[in-house]
Amino acid sequence: QQQVKQSPQSLIVQKGGISIINCAYENTAFDYFPWYQQFPGKGPALLIAIRPDVSEKKEGRFTISFNKSAKQFSLHIMDSQPGDSATYFCASGGTSYGKLTFGQGTILTVHP
Amino acid sequence: EAGVAQSPRYKIIEKRQSVAFWCNPISGHATLYWYQQILGQGPKLLIQFQNNGVVDDSQLPKDRFSAERLKGVDSTLKIQPAKLEDSAVYLCASSSPSGANVLTFGAGSRLTVL
Repeated sequence: QQQVKQSPQSLIVQKGGISIINCAYENTAFDYFPWYQQFPGKGPALLIAIRPDVSEKKEGRFTISFNKSAKQFSLHIMDSQPGDSATYFCASGGTSYGKLTFGQGTILTVHP
Repeated sequence: EAGVAQSPRYKIIEKRQSVAFWCNPISGHATLYWYQQILGQGPKLLIQFQNNGVVDDSQLPKDRFSAERLKGVDSTLKIQPAKLEDSAVYLCASSSPSGANVLTFGAGSRLTVL
């Protein structure tokens, strides 16, 4: 199975800081790259997503940066808040077949 | 809009016993997925349905796992017999025809095999 490699496994930042999580994919046929946020006891929820025709997408404090040639993309959380403490998963997939392949996850802890 | 419903939320069984999980997707969502999430890992696709037909079950351990989607709506995932390594959260997700990649997940069913 094509892999999606995510790093770091865990991340601790202070309130107001910037959180950065990185992801690398293998399958060049993938054309959809979302980030999901998961709180304990809940299912993953879509946070933000990008397609490879743009290099960056911003929604509020969350930004995805995409590097097609390197097959990498990253999530930046600006002004991190304690409420952002959760597990974040990158994923990748193809529009034609819908299913997503997920990374291993990053546990983010934001200290007040 | 009601979300993806799953039950039971928690289940504890002995190894070699059987268990079944139920999922009711969002109304109108033609595609339904079952993912397995082992503690500390990302979700792994087990099976994908389009209406009541199987699109992808390449990673479903078919010697012990089975799934069906009757009438293209609800779905049931069964494990028989369960092994210790089946301990995980089983997540159901669905997506609409217009947003094929946008998966909405349920809260999951946590299985513990003793």
